[in-house]
Amino acid sequence: AQTVTQSQPEMSVQEAETVTLSCTYDTSENNYYLFWYKQPPSRQMILVIRQEAYKQQNATENRFSVNFQKAAKSFSLKISDSQLGDTAMYFCARENNAGNMLTFGGGTRLMVKP
Amino acid sequence: DAGVTQSPTHLIKTRGQHVTLRCSPISGHKSVSWYQQVLGQGPQFIFQYYEKEERGRGNFPDRFSARQFPNYSSELNVNALLLGDSALYLCASSLGTESYEQYFGPGTRLTVT
Repeated sequence: AQTVTQSQPEMSVQEAETVTLSCTYDTSENNYYLFWYKQPPSRQMILVIRQEAYKQQNATENRFSVNFQKAAKSFSLKISDSQLGDTAMYFCARENNAGNMLTFGGGTRLMVKP
Repeated sequence: DAGVTQSPTHLIKTRGQHVTLRCSPISGHKSVSWYQQVLGQGPQFIFQYYEKEERGRGNFPDRFSARQFPNYSSELNVNALLLGDSALYLCASSLGTESYEQYFGPGTRLTVT
């Protein structure tokens, strides 16, 4: 089974500081998409950022950026200038080559402290 | 525009019963996917439907079934409920398949007693 692993069950960061969430994945495919989703306590899953595997340039979206290491199958999320509203569960996910299925990691619970 | 909607929000069922969960995608979206999220875990893929046809199925027993209607809304059916079916069931819609962003609904919390 192709898996996605998030090794940090919980993390905390002070407001305005930077935090990095880790994700590794397993795949035999050459082209695929990677995602980070945020799930606040209200439960609605929201897309934070996406990365196309064939693109070497790391994706950025305002305060959110990724460090994509294709050979190492690593896909970490960096949150800069953390805000209280960033408190949530963060899930790393990989889309399969057929484009019909997301495989999620177990999640990292991030707490931003004032 | 309205986002993905799901009904009901919560429900409680007894072991052995049957349940139907409903999902309405964002207007214009033709693909609907279903995920099961057990408490404390990441979502697990159950089904994807596109243009009313099943495009993908996860590793779930035949007790789980789904369908998509001409208006692209979808139903997830679970027969012979087990305690282990207790979870948050998420529906996601997208314009199509293959790299299109999936927009998630708020979920239906199912408790089986």
